[in-house]
Amino acid sequence: DGGITQSPKYLFRKEGQNVTLSCEQNLNHDAMYWYRQDPGQGLRLIYYSQIVNDFQKGDIAEGYSVSREKKESFPLTVTSAQKNPTAFYLCASSIFYSGAEAFFGQGTRLTVV
Amino acid sequence: AQSVTQLDSQVPVFEEAPVELRCNYSSSVSVYLFWYVQYPNQGLQLLLKYLSGSTLVKGINGFEAEFNKSQTSFHLRKPSVHISDTAEYFCAVSAQSSTLGRLYFGRGTQLTVWP
Repeated sequence: DGGITQSPKYLFRKEGQNVTLSCEQNLNHDAMYWYRQDPGQGLRLIYYSQIVNDFQKGDIAEGYSVSREKKESFPLTVTSAQKNPTAFYLCASSIFYSGAEAFFGQGTRLTVV
Repeated sequence: AQSVTQLDSQVPVFEEAPVELRCNYSSSVSVYLFWYVQYPNQGLQLLLKYLSGSTLVKGINGFEAEFNKSQTSFHLRKPSVHISDTAEYFCAVSAQSSTLGRLYFGRGTQLTVWP
């Protein structure tokens, strides 16, 4: 079945550690996105990528980094510079068209202790 | 840039009652409009979208939405809700002029259906 897979579903890390969230899609979509979700805040865009080896900052990129070495994969690293990393992280993909449906993964809940 | 306002953060209703979830947007360019649903601890799923044509759009699970350009609104409605409709609902827009499908989301409305 085609879709987006995020792993792990739950992640616990100590403060000051970097952590990488995985996102893989087999939908052959060019565009991929990372969103952060906090209660009552909606979804805020962290990074997006339109094509392999290219990515752009979203609205809240500070303390995060990404790579896009393969069309199928768009991992997100939450660095120690991110001041409040505990959140629900969602990966999405779409075709290259502003009217297109975005397909979302099941999310990763990151808790930093 | 675009922005989306969902006027109600929480909407409680009884089963089989009608419901309306309100969404207003702001944009200096023409937009496409979307409603997504999120069940607990899951990703988002598209309910419906408005691209052009008829302003009344029908989606999955019996939901529909009406685009009102003069009021810059895209309210979501269902004539009779079920317990299983309990979820968070997000309104979103994207700029028609953009080649990238970047979405701007509202803060969400939690719909709770009581028996």
